Amino acid sequence: EAGVAQSPRYKIIEKRQSVAFWCNPISGHATLYWYQQILGQGPKLLIQFQNNGVVDDSQLPKDRFSAERLKGVDSTLKIQPAKLEDSAVYLCASSSSLLAGYNEQFFGPGTRLTVL
Amino acid sequence: TQLLEQSPQFLSIQEGENLTVYCNSSSVFSSLQWYRQEPGEGPVLLVTVVTGGEVKKLKRLTFQFGDARKDSSLHITAAQPGDTGLYLCAGPYTGGFKTIFGAGTRLFVKA
Repeated sequence: EAGVAQSPRYKIIEKRQSVAFWCNPISGHATLYWYQQILGQGPKLLIQFQNNGVVDDSQLPKDRFSAERLKGVDSTLKIQPAKLEDSAVYLCASSSSLLAGYNEQFFGPGTRLTVL
Repeated sequence: TQLLEQSPQFLSIQEGENLTVYCNSSSVFSSLQWYRQEPGEGPVLLVTVVTGGEVKKLKRLTFQFGDARKDSSLHITAAQPGDTGLYLCAGPYTGGFKTIFGAGTRLFVKA
């Protein structure tokens, strides 16, 4: 079974530029998550989808971050414009159930973003 | 706000030594999960504990959930270099639909 795919693996941009990340979850997983992991910290949830609907985006900086999950499968996360503090690893995860605390989340390898 | 505090933040030991890492909160969690994250990879689930006082074993790893369900520990016996990684605890909040992660314990096992 293929795992969660993410691209690109690495991205270096200058502040105020735009960037987009792509995620393809495990086939059949209805729940998809985007996390931000800053160096030395644990993952922080940015947005959670159930199929193509948003379950939670309370910690998504909506003035600069946006995400969509068209057709309830692939998802993209966009940052526009990027700030220095956005430098982090962006992890995508998927799960077969909404109850994330009880079921396994499968993570992709992440995209390491460096903002100069 | 529910928080998960992990200790120690960093641990460097020799192969063959035993170690314990901790995950603590002032809040009650209905379950806690432990993940391991290797460099350049996403976290991988090791175990989920759901009952206060529960002990689960996974080869050389022993996980315990506190009686009051506010804390958990991970004990590794005879650590090996392959155990090197970031150990994260995580728990559900907001009705179980969201997961909060601790900052992790970074373990380095020297051969």
